[in-house]
Amino acid sequence: QSALTQPASVSGSPGQSMTISCTGTSSDVGGYNLISWYQQHPGKAPELIIYEGTKRPSGVSNRFSGSKSGNTASLTISGLQAEDEAHYHCCSYAGRSTLVFGGGTKLTVL
Amino acid sequence: QVQLQESGPGLVKPSQTLSLTCTVSGGSISTAGYYWSWIRQHPGRGLEWIGYIYYSGNTHYNPSLKSRVTISVDTTTNQFSLKMTSATAADTAVYYCAREDSYGTRSFDYWGQGTLVTVSS
Repeated sequence: QSALTQPASVSGSPGQSMTISCTGTSSDVGGYNLISWYQQHPGKAPELIIYEGTKRPSGVSNRFSGSKSGNTASLTISGLQAEDEAHYHCCSYAGRSTLVFGGGTKLTVL
Repeated sequence: QVQLQESGPGLVKPSQTLSLTCTVSGGSISTAGYYWSWIRQHPGRGLEWIGYIYYSGNTHYNPSLKSRVTISVDTTTNQFSLKMTSATAADTAVYYCAREDSYGTRSFDYWGQGTLVTVSS
């Protein structure tokens, strides 16, 4: 069970859109629509922003959206704001009641 | 509003057992449909799923940690616990407890604040 692959860091300017990828295998990302994304500000616990690949919990901004193609899931943040600067983590069901996370991506808003 | 709070020693000696407890408030740990999970984050790194327990006592663990990990639940105190044997410096991390939806989404909707555990002599 290997960690999912995310870019270590991405950066963008306010107002731009940013997409963070999360690559796995057919045994995890590609095999199930059970992908979740978490936002984590420094010193804080992660917070759920996307579940089942594309769904947003109540209260999460519609600037956050999720998608999947093959073995790669993606998180897109539109209209970047300073408050979006954080770490983002993907997570996938990996069969046999196990879960696997990505290595996390640090988003910097320039 | 469900809240989770981790507690336990912040310093563990190498080869000893790391023990943490998560206290759940604002809801019953015996509510059907939720797994009670442990997740850790090594300094400056990503998250790692450790395992979960259902209120019935059913458990599942990360295969890479399975030989050293035990998760237990006490429904009378609304708590669940983590024990990790033979601790090494590689187990130094922030440990989070979280609630996972077991009815399909398999996502973590409530998290504790996290507790740093350092393994050092």
